[in-house]
Amino acid sequence: AQSVTQLGSHVSVSEGALVLLRCNYSSSVPPYLFWYVQYPNQGLQLLLKYTSAATLVKGINGFEAEFKKSETSFHLTKPSAHMSDAAEYFCAVSDKHDDMRFGAGTRLTVKP
Amino acid sequence: GAGVSQSPSNKVTEKGKDVELRCDPISGHTALYWYRQRLGQGLEFLIYFQGNSAPDKSGLPSDRFSAERTGESVSTLTIQRTQQEDSAVYLCASSSGFRGHEQFFGPGTRLTVL
Repeated sequence: AQSVTQLGSHVSVSEGALVLLRCNYSSSVPPYLFWYVQYPNQGLQLLLKYTSAATLVKGINGFEAEFKKSETSFHLTKPSAHMSDAAEYFCAVSDKHDDMRFGAGTRLTVKP
Repeated sequence: GAGVSQSPSNKVTEKGKDVELRCDPISGHTALYWYRQRLGQGLEFLIYFQGNSAPDKSGLPSDRFSAERTGESVSTLTIQRTQQEDSAVYLCASSSGFRGHEQFFGPGTRLTVL
């Protein structure tokens, strides 16, 4: 069965610092992987997705993620954090079915 | 419609009452999903529809929870004999049903059980 583990329920960085949010997946087939973001009091929206094309995927707001099959990882990064990046981030995996399973989420705090 | 809509946006009910939550997916989307998000926690998968059938009901927490979908459109999540631990935001999402296509989320229904 497909599943996702997000390491770290809370991550705090200073403005301008590197953002690294970790996601490891489990899937019996080559997966499709997603990162969603939930800003305070808003719904979830897609940041980026991997669907077996390029292993480095670029998303909105300067975020990117790299698919590493050998590590079963899909970590989300951004070179320089901005205050507006403060939000909850969810990693998700979809395998041979068209459903999707989400991780527990990582809350990102950006300090001035 | 332009996006996924859910109603009501907020629902306050007394313990033991039944509640019905509604989701209107994006027109043409065959797949529909229900999730629960407790305060400060992640997304908990409840149930998934492909068309009007539910291939995966594994996430429903108890037999007090049920869901249906008609006309490959609107879905209703019903919680019977609500308990305080049912308090959460209930999120609905829809997608085209093809693997790898993103899910589009509604704004959620905030349920408070007193």
